[in-house]
Amino acid sequence: KNEVEQSPQNLTAQEGEFITINCSYSVGISALHWLQQHPGGGIVSLFMLSSGKKKHGRLIATINIQEKHSSLHITASHPRDSAVYICAVYHSGGGADGLTFGKGTHLIIQP
Amino acid sequence: NAGVMQNPRHLVRRRGQEARLRCSPMKGHSHVYWYRQLPEEGLKFMVYLQKENIIDESGMPKERFSAEFPKEGPSILRIQQVVRGDSAAYFCASSPTSPGGTTYYEQYFGPGTRLTVT
Repeated sequence: KNEVEQSPQNLTAQEGEFITINCSYSVGISALHWLQQHPGGGIVSLFMLSSGKKKHGRLIATINIQEKHSSLHITASHPRDSAVYICAVYHSGGGADGLTFGKGTHLIIQP
Repeated sequence: NAGVMQNPRHLVRRRGQEARLRCSPMKGHSHVYWYRQLPEEGLKFMVYLQKENIIDESGMPKERFSAEFPKEGPSILRIQQVVRGDSAAYFCASSPTSPGGTTYYEQYFGPGTRLTVT
């Protein structure tokens, strides 16, 4: 079982729909990233969270430390939001010093 | 403030050649991480460096791969005697120095180097 699980793996929606991507993790963490990657493109960090909720434009990220769960929401989705969204965690208490990644959610927003 | 820079963006090597990937962190950042993304797979941690020190190389293959971050200049990921299985996107990320007490700072990613081994 992966330490970081994302759902759904693939999501196709119509422009304007409210999108939710989920991330569950099984280890203690210091922080959680939500990342965006366009096909063949680089990686952009959307949010870093250690508690609560953050909002940036149409994007909202929440985290529940007790339940080891985070969600990324996109309001009023647009075709330019089509990308792979990746959840990544930074372990607390030792282990590898880098981030551990989920496999990503492939999002397609159709016009 | 320029972001994390990587070069080259695309690199083609024949089997058996050496590949050198460079990463210049953001200004003021002294921590560098290297990650690999194999085709159709997720990102995996390779190595974490500070200036002149390898802090954690638990994700590095045991042979042919090495990394450095000298006092001056970019961080280098070096792959000797490349094989087809090394074809992947290699990303580096940087984070700032911790002024004290904080255990984690946000990582900023570069655009990646796409290595193709023919």
